[in-house]
Amino acid sequence: AQKITQTQPGMFVQEKEAVTLDCTYDTSDPSYGLFWYKQPSSGEMIFLIYQGSYDQQNATEGRYSLNFQKARKSANLVISASQLGDSAMYFCAMRAHGAGSYQLTFGKGTKLSVIP
Amino acid sequence: DTAVSQTPKYLVTQMGNDKSIKCEQNLGHDTMYWYKQDSKKFLKIMFSYNNKELIINETVPNRFSPKSPDKAHLNLHINSLELGDSAVYFCASSPTEAEENIQYFGAGTRLSVL
Repeated sequence: AQKITQTQPGMFVQEKEAVTLDCTYDTSDPSYGLFWYKQPSSGEMIFLIYQGSYDQQNATEGRYSLNFQKARKSANLVISASQLGDSAMYFCAMRAHGAGSYQLTFGKGTKLSVIP
Repeated sequence: DTAVSQTPKYLVTQMGNDKSIKCEQNLGHDTMYWYKQDSKKFLKIMFSYNNKELIINETVPNRFSPKSPDKAHLNLHINSLELGDSAVYFCASSPTEAEENIQYFGAGTRLSVL
C-alpha cells in the first residue's frame, strides 16, 4: 500500500519569495514516481512536476523544483519567486511503476496563499 | 484544443436518478481514469481502464460503472444517485507505456445530489 502525507493544511508566502511545500511518502515498491499537481480556485487539476525514484537529479520545471530525499522518503515542492497566481491547493501524489498499478495516490493537499 | 474534456461541468439532480458524465481525451493515451474529490478536497481513484483491463477500486459502489465506447472516451454512469455521491468527479488519461505515466486531468464535474 502507498501513502502520501502532507502535513501543512495551509501556508502563506509573501509575493516574490520562495516557499517549500512538504510531502512525505511511504511505499514498499522499489520503483515509483512522485508528482505534484496544482488546483486553483477554478477547480482544474494542473500537472506541475514529476520525479522518478531512480532519477539521480532533482526535477525542475521553470519556477518549480522537487527536493527529492529518497532516504527520508520526502518529495518537497519548492516554488521560487512566488506570484499571486500561485495561490491554490497543491497535491502531492505517487504511483508505483509496473503493470497493473497505474492509479495515483494523493495526499490531502496544502492550500497556498500568496500575499501581495 | 482541450486535451481532456468532461461534460457537463455542473450536474444537479435528485436522489434516485440515473446520470452520466462524459469524458474524452485527444492525447492519444490508452489509459483513462475516474477520480472522486470529496468535500474535504481528498482525491481518490475510482477506476482505471485501458483496452486490456478495468481496475475497480473495491470501495466504489456497483451503482457506478465506467463505459468505454473507444480508446478516447471513458464515460461514468451512476445509477440510483444518493446524497453521498455529491462530489467533484475528475477524468484523467495517461500513456500506459511511458515510465512517467503522467496523468492529465479534465476540468472536473461538480455533481450535486438533492
